[in-house]
Amino acid sequence: EAAVTQSPRNKVTVTGGNVTLSCRQTNSHNYMYWYRQDTGHGLRLIHYSYGAGNLQIGDVPDGYKATRTTQEDFFLLLELASPSQTSLYFCASTPTGGAETLYFGSGTRLTVL
Amino acid sequence: QQQVRQSPQSLTVWEGETAILNCSYENSAFDYFPWYQQFPGEGPALLIAIRSVSDKKEDGRFTIFFNKREKKLSLHITDSQPGDSATYFCAASRSSGSWQLIFGSGTQLTVMP
Repeated sequence: EAAVTQSPRNKVTVTGGNVTLSCRQTNSHNYMYWYRQDTGHGLRLIHYSYGAGNLQIGDVPDGYKATRTTQEDFFLLLELASPSQTSLYFCASTPTGGAETLYFGSGTRLTVL
Repeated sequence: QQQVRQSPQSLTVWEGETAILNCSYENSAFDYFPWYQQFPGEGPALLIAIRSVSDKKEDGRFTIFFNKREKKLSLHITDSQPGDSATYFCAASRSSGSWQLIFGSGTQLTVMP
């Protein structure tokens, strides 16, 4: 079973604050993804990466940066957090990035006051 | 724009009944359709998937029915159990070329004992 670990589980910050969400996968998957989940919208792709140093833009990238430092680690950065970024964030990974199973972490609930 | 639509938004059935969750899509190039199951406090996990060359996919009590002409599919859960209470996401993608999984907004299923 693929293992994807996210931290922290919960985070509260203020408007304009700086937040980093972390994700680590230990299954040597090439592709990693950041999604946000909001009621009425399902899961929407923010950024993804196919390897260390690579970054691809998803469907809702505005206000987010991301960095893939190693095969295992993918970070999501909110440098000037806004209340509209209050959401449940999921990291996921897949072996080759094709039409295959996404393995999700347990999520980080972010609240921006 | 909502490329993948799900209905109903929420569904309540009694234990032992068949739950029917509906999904439709717009892009005729989509040919891979997974369903993900999500329990509270967890990330989504792949439940069952179908490719457009098939019109039915069965896995135990879970069956996907697929109608390519109408761009519709449905997930049938027979003999529903309280442990099936979860949110179900329909998703769609192309299996070649530019791959990206598009999720619907989800159906929250409650199975009453």
